[in-house]
Amino acid sequence: NAGVTQTPKFQVLKTGQSMTLQCAQDMNHEYMSWYRQDPGMGLRLIHYSVGAGITDQGEVPNGYNVSRSTTEDFPLRLLSAAPSQTSVYFCASSYSILEPGYGYTFGSGTRLTVV
Amino acid sequence: QQPVQSPQAVILREGEDAVINCSSSKALYSVHWYRQKHGEAPVFLMILLKGGEQKGHEKISASFNEKKQQSSLYLTASQLSYSGTYFCGTRVDYKLSFGAGTTVTVRA
Repeated sequence: NAGVTQTPKFQVLKTGQSMTLQCAQDMNHEYMSWYRQDPGMGLRLIHYSVGAGITDQGEVPNGYNVSRSTTEDFPLRLLSAAPSQTSVYFCASSYSILEPGYGYTFGSGTRLTVV
Repeated sequence: QQPVQSPQAVILREGEDAVINCSSSKALYSVHWYRQKHGEAPVFLMILLKGGEQKGHEKISASFNEKKQQSSLYLTASQLSYSGTYFCGTRVDYKLSFGAGTTVTVRA
């Protein structure tokens, strides 16, 4: 099993450009989420999905879109990149957020710089 | 709303103990604990599901006081491999919110 795979690992964007961060998991997890990590602020939830076709906003959703057409994939789209979106982005999945005992599996992260 | 962790950082010598605290202003369904090494992804350590329940991972254990909306992580007889940043995560509905993290440095 590959677990949670994120691509790309590094990306530099110019202000105003758009791009998609890819996330795929092969563990048949129903719950997937995106976090951004900034120094001193921990991990902040951007968007999440409880299953294919169902998404919702987290704590910091502005400037980002998501969709979940399959159980395996949960891409994150930056609509018009801004320097404030410079961060490390982590995708995480879990078998179920409501069933007891399941932690999150994180991808290796995407380091994004917006200039 | 993100939980509050304390302390922000702690430096230990091998074999020493430490406690990391996590508190929330909201009622908690569960508390997660993760460790992140520099430049790597967070790794799941344990989850606590009901008040007073304690879980363990190696010599790392945790407790959950539902009434006080608090959890504590105990690092016992610390090893060099325990170095990293520890995050607590608290779940409300479908959202898992993380604290700002506690950086633990273990020195020989």
